[in-house]
Amino acid sequence: SQTIHQWPATLVQPVGSPLSLECTVEGTSNPNLYWYRQAAGRGLQLLFYSVGIGQISSEVPQNLSASRPQDRQFILSSKKLLLSDSGFYLCAGTGETEAFFGQGTRLTVV
Amino acid sequence: GEDVEQSLFLSVREGDSSVINCTYTDSSSTYLYWYKQEPGAGLQLLTYIFSNMDMKQDQRLTVLLNKKDKHLSLRIADTQTGDSAIYFCAESNSGYALNFGKGTSLLVTP
Repeated sequence: SQTIHQWPATLVQPVGSPLSLECTVEGTSNPNLYWYRQAAGRGLQLLFYSVGIGQISSEVPQNLSASRPQDRQFILSSKKLLLSDSGFYLCAGTGETEAFFGQGTRLTVV
Repeated sequence: GEDVEQSLFLSVREGDSSVINCTYTDSSSTYLYWYKQEPGAGLQLLTYIFSNMDMKQDQRLTVLLNKKDKHLSLRIADTQTGDSAIYFCAESNSGYALNFGKGTSLLVTP
């Protein structure tokens, strides 16, 4: 079965520092991969999705970027974090029909 | 994007049935999903239904779909305290990322 590994689980970073969140997938090849952000109001906002290596689509303009250097690896990055980047970040991958999620990263920018 | 709407809170007594409702606007939705999120964790797929079905039952869970009204519901029979969580309704139009509602917080009281 498909498994999403995401790390770290929690992260506290100062404003202006860089960010790198990593997500890897097991149990499938050539998955579609996604980064979601869950803000305080609990809504899930799609940030990026990728249908293959090097293919990234951005849903919203923001301070973040994503990369997919390998088929099963998806990375969320920032060069300089803002306070508004705080939130809960979820990596997801799609199986035949549904999406499977990682356990999430709680990012606090201070 | 298309809208998915849910009520934000639901409180039920242990042993009663819970019904969580969801409406969506995309008439071309192919799959509809229910995800469960426990505190600080990722989303866990509970069940999903194809848009050409009107009901799906899986142990204590029953999903009803009224495609004409674009209304989806999740019924949890014999609700337990361990069912307390946030429940997300989501829809997708095959091959694309899921579009989520804001989630319904279910509180089960003894």
